[in-house]
Amino acid sequence: GQNIDQPTEMTATEGAIVQINCTYQTSGFNGLFWYQQHAGEAPTFLSYNVLDGLEEKGRFSSFLSRSKGYSYLLLKELQMKDSASYLCAVTNAGNNRKLIWGLGTSLAVNP
Amino acid sequence: GAVVSQHPSWVICKSGTSVKIECRSLDFQATTMFWYRQFPKQSLMLMATSNEGSKATYEQGVEKDKFLINHASLTLSTLTVTSAHPEDSSFYICSARKQAGTNGAYEQYFGPGTRLTVT
Repeated sequence: GQNIDQPTEMTATEGAIVQINCTYQTSGFNGLFWYQQHAGEAPTFLSYNVLDGLEEKGRFSSFLSRSKGYSYLLLKELQMKDSASYLCAVTNAGNNRKLIWGLGTSLAVNP
Repeated sequence: GAVVSQHPSWVICKSGTSVKIECRSLDFQATTMFWYRQFPKQSLMLMATSNEGSKATYEQGVEKDKFLINHASLTLSTLTVTSAHPEDSSFYICSARKQAGTNGAYEQYFGPGTRLTVT
């Protein structure tokens, strides 16, 4: 079957670094997405990893290890506006390439 | 860039009426779009996959006759909630798939969502 696990909640301090982990099980893996979703808003695309390694985009980085079924989203220099839910989603080559969603990690950034 | 718009942003309608929601990819062509629904503090729930020029593929438990999807062009998909009832009140979000690079990779971008309230 398909399964995605990520922590339900995390708390961090403004200016700090936080790592949000995501583990997955799926057949025919074809990429992993990270999205940010603020309350009452639609998700915003953050990153897409299909090959092993680290992808860096400003304060946000995303890492993927396909052999371990593992990814993390790294947020540096945390700001209050980073308080949001972070969603991990996986797609496979079949099944019309639909995204399989994790339940999201609610991150609270405190001053 | 990759911008997806939705219209309307919010709508209030009376029970029994129909509501149409539009989803447009503004700066790219999207052969595939997705329609999601999200209730407060719950995960995104995929309703259907919309493919340009063909019938939509609905997820199990989603009534295709109630949620009509039309993807008539590479930049526009519409969702019509027919005979809406209060339990259909939700946040409806579309997303569009954009090809990224030439190796078959792609990215998926979301519209801002439409908040539907049925009274």
